[in-house]
Amino acid sequence: DAGVIQSPRHEVTEMGQEVTLRCKPISGHDYLFWYRQTMMRGLELLIYFNNNVPIDDSGMPEDRFSAKMPNASFSTLKIQPSEPRDSAVYFCASSQGTVYNEQFFGPGTRLTVL
Amino acid sequence: GEDVEQSLFLSVREGDSSVINCTYTDSSSTYLYWYKQEPGAGLQLLTYIFSNMDMKQDQRLTVLLNKKDKHLSLRIADTQTGDSAIYFCAERLGGSQGNLIFGKGTKLSVKP
Repeated sequence: DAGVIQSPRHEVTEMGQEVTLRCKPISGHDYLFWYRQTMMRGLELLIYFNNNVPIDDSGMPEDRFSAKMPNASFSTLKIQPSEPRDSAVYFCASSQGTVYNEQFFGPGTRLTVL
Repeated sequence: GEDVEQSLFLSVREGDSSVINCTYTDSSSTYLYWYKQEPGAGLQLLTYIFSNMDMKQDQRLTVLLNKKDKHLSLRIADTQTGDSAIYFCAERLGGSQGNLIFGKGTKLSVKP
């Protein structure tokens, strides 16, 4: 299995631009998570889906952030408009919903907003 | 709210044991986890422990859980330079299938 796939791996954009991050979870996993990692705040859960349905989006910082999961094999996290304080590494993770629910992380997208 | 605390740095010599500590706040946590992050990569699950256990051993790794004090530790025996990474403690909130609360991570440096 290829694991969780994220694209792009690096994104540099200017303030005010729209940014779309993409994630392909591991086949057969029915949970998908989006995290943001910064030095100051550590790893924060933004939103997670179960069977393509958003379950908890309380971590989404503000209306500029939106996430979708149109099918079991694809999810996007969009930031519009982007701001310099959005600069971070964004991780996607998926899990099978087993008893101990191991989450498998993608390699992350490093976003820099100038 | 829920919080997971861990020290930010630990430095050990190769061959020594490393002990990384963590405290958490949610007494209803069902599972507690240790994840490892190597530079430029995502997190990987190292081990986990169910909340009704006190200890779990897996090769060089020993996890100790003190539920009364809400304290979790990870001991790595015979630490190697390849163990240098950031180690994250995480708790799974009671009643939640998906929501993990992560600590900020402990950066382990192993000196030869």
